[in-house]
Amino acid sequence: DAGVTQSPTHLIKTRGQQVTLRCSPISGHKSVSWYQQVLGQGPQFIFQYYEKEERGRGNFPDRFSARQFPNYSSELNVNALLLGDSALYLCASSYHGREAFFGQGTRLTVV
Amino acid sequence: KNEVEQSPQNLTAQEGEFITINCSYSVGISALHWLQQHPGGGIVSLFMLSSGKKKHGRLIATINIQEKHSSLHITASHPRDSAVYICAVRFNYFGTGTSLTVIP
Repeated sequence: DAGVTQSPTHLIKTRGQQVTLRCSPISGHKSVSWYQQVLGQGPQFIFQYYEKEERGRGNFPDRFSARQFPNYSSELNVNALLLGDSALYLCASSYHGREAFFGQGTRLTVV
Repeated sequence: KNEVEQSPQNLTAQEGEFITINCSYSVGISALHWLQQHPGGGIVSLFMLSSGKKKHGRLIATINIQEKHSSLHITASHPRDSAVYICAVRFNYFGTGTSLTVIP
């Protein structure tokens, strides 16, 4: 079975641009969460979606938004990119809040 | 102060040594997770704990709810155990990770 898949794996953007990151959960998982991991730090929680509704939001500015589709895949959007948005963005899916399974991440570099 | 604190930040051990990584948290808990992250980013969930102790192979995880403290132990460490180990509460709060290097 496929695990959590994220695309793209790497991305380079310029300051001020917008970016969309994609995540496909494990089949049957209805919960998707997004995390930002800056080099040398632990992940920071951004959003959780369950059944297409936002169930949790971390301490991130409104430039960050997300949505979940009827097939439970999800997109994370970041507008007006800053250099400080450079990080590894991780997606995780879970079944009814149990163990989470992480994707390999999207490494975003803002120049 | 971070909601989840880990120690040590970095750890170097000789192959075969017994290793302990500690995690203290200040937020309410339904479950505490120990995660392993290899270079390149992929994260694997090792344990989910709400009480007591769990064992999987050479890895043991314990939690003391009253003291808000958890430990991850690795017995007979091996170079393939080299990774970053992260403690997480409810997948909302994460420690900064412990970078473990096991030398042959």
